[in-house]
Amino acid sequence: GAVVSQHPSWVICKSGTSVKIECRSLDFQATTMFWYRQFPKQSLMLMATSNEGSKATYEQGVEKDKFLINHASLTLSTLTVTSAHPEDSSFYICSAREGTSGSETQYFGPGTRLLVL
Amino acid sequence: QKEVEQDPGPLSVPEGAIVSLNCTYSNSAFQYFMWYRQYSRKGPELLMYTYSSGNKEDGRFTAQVDKSSKYISLFIRDSQPSDSATYLCAANLLNTGGFKTIFGAGTRLFVKA
Repeated sequence: GAVVSQHPSWVICKSGTSVKIECRSLDFQATTMFWYRQFPKQSLMLMATSNEGSKATYEQGVEKDKFLINHASLTLSTLTVTSAHPEDSSFYICSAREGTSGSETQYFGPGTRLLVL
Repeated sequence: QKEVEQDPGPLSVPEGAIVSLNCTYSNSAFQYFMWYRQYSRKGPELLMYTYSSGNKEDGRFTAQVDKSSKYISLFIRDSQPSDSATYLCAANLLNTGGFKTIFGAGTRLFVKA
């Protein structure tokens, strides 16, 4: 099956610093990548959708300047949490989809656990 | 009302039991339906993917879609402790920005040895 990797798997940082998370599709070209946030024992919350070469589409309530998304190639998307604060601590998961017809499924990365002190 | 409704559980069953996980959806425009399994502190893993009404079987797992009643189910036969996880149903919906996947809240399943 399709494989999506995420790096790092966990990160601890000081408040005010920026953190970059990478999401890669290893064996397919991802037309679309998604970034989710998940709090303990809760479901996935879609943050933004990014298509290769274009600006990301953010969900309502997600700060664009806070969560910078770059989808520079068909296999790589990055999420940068700028000036992180403790309330940004969460589990961030990316997913990737190969096509746009709707019949393609999303394949998820293993997630990145962020702890902001 | 959420577009995809799923009972969060938790659901606790003994090993070997048949597990039935269910979701309902409100929008008849949903076309593709998926079930994901998520272990604690891991990303979701695709289990089953269906399009048309009916059953799709893969080993101990059977996915069922009833578009007339807007109901999707996942059955797990001979459940094992390793099946303990959160199960997420999902559906694809075409909107102005392209296809969007809507997830249910997830049902936490515990299979006791």
